[in-house]
Amino acid sequence: LAKTTQPISMDSYEGQEVNITCSHNNIATNDYITWYQQFPSQGPRFIIQGYKTKVTNEVASLFIPADRKSSTLSLPRVSLSDTAVYYCLVLTSGTYKYIFGTGTRLKVLA
Amino acid sequence: DSGVTQTPKHLITATGQRVTLRCSPRSGDLSVYWYQQSLDQGLQFLIQYYNGEERAKGNILERFSAQQFPDLHSELNLSSLELGDSALYFCASSPRPPSLGGYTFGSGTRLTVV
Repeated sequence: LAKTTQPISMDSYEGQEVNITCSHNNIATNDYITWYQQFPSQGPRFIIQGYKTKVTNEVASLFIPADRKSSTLSLPRVSLSDTAVYYCLVLTSGTYKYIFGTGTRLKVLA
Repeated sequence: DSGVTQTPKHLITATGQRVTLRCSPRSGDLSVYWYQQSLDQGLQFLIQYYNGEERAKGNILERFSAQQFPDLHSELNLSSLELGDSALYFCASSPRPPSLGGYTFGSGTRLTVV
């Protein structure tokens, strides 16, 4: 399973764009990159998933360079309610489990 | 409401006891996953079932066991409980394995062992 590395914590201010980068150097051909958000005492919530290039939904964008060894989750114009832990995961097609890393604790300041 | 129901929400029990945590997956989902989250360990994958069959095992202790029933609900049994078993236990479900598109997590059961 590909191991991921992401910053332990980040601070940002309301209204700013936040970019969280995740490193997954040994990603395999069948692997997909997935991001989750978790608020305290709640279950993680799926944000976005991608394989290559760029994926965008109503919540975030995911940028994946051609070599796929890293990915960047972009949160546009964050608010205080975006304060949470964000997990980057690599899911191998054909396997059955997500392995969560330590995540990035994002704190949005007023 | 994510559609994944976990009961009970809170559980306090003594060391050495046995408890059962229950999970009802989202309607139509066949796969159920169990995770443990404690302060010092983060989210740890325990076990996964698909349509009643065990499909993957993670760091699940021998004192723990799980099963998925014909109606697709799942139970996680924790026995000979120790203080270190205190944690949030999450259940997640997905329509199929592998779970491209993401899992849906429940709100968890907070277990406190005293």
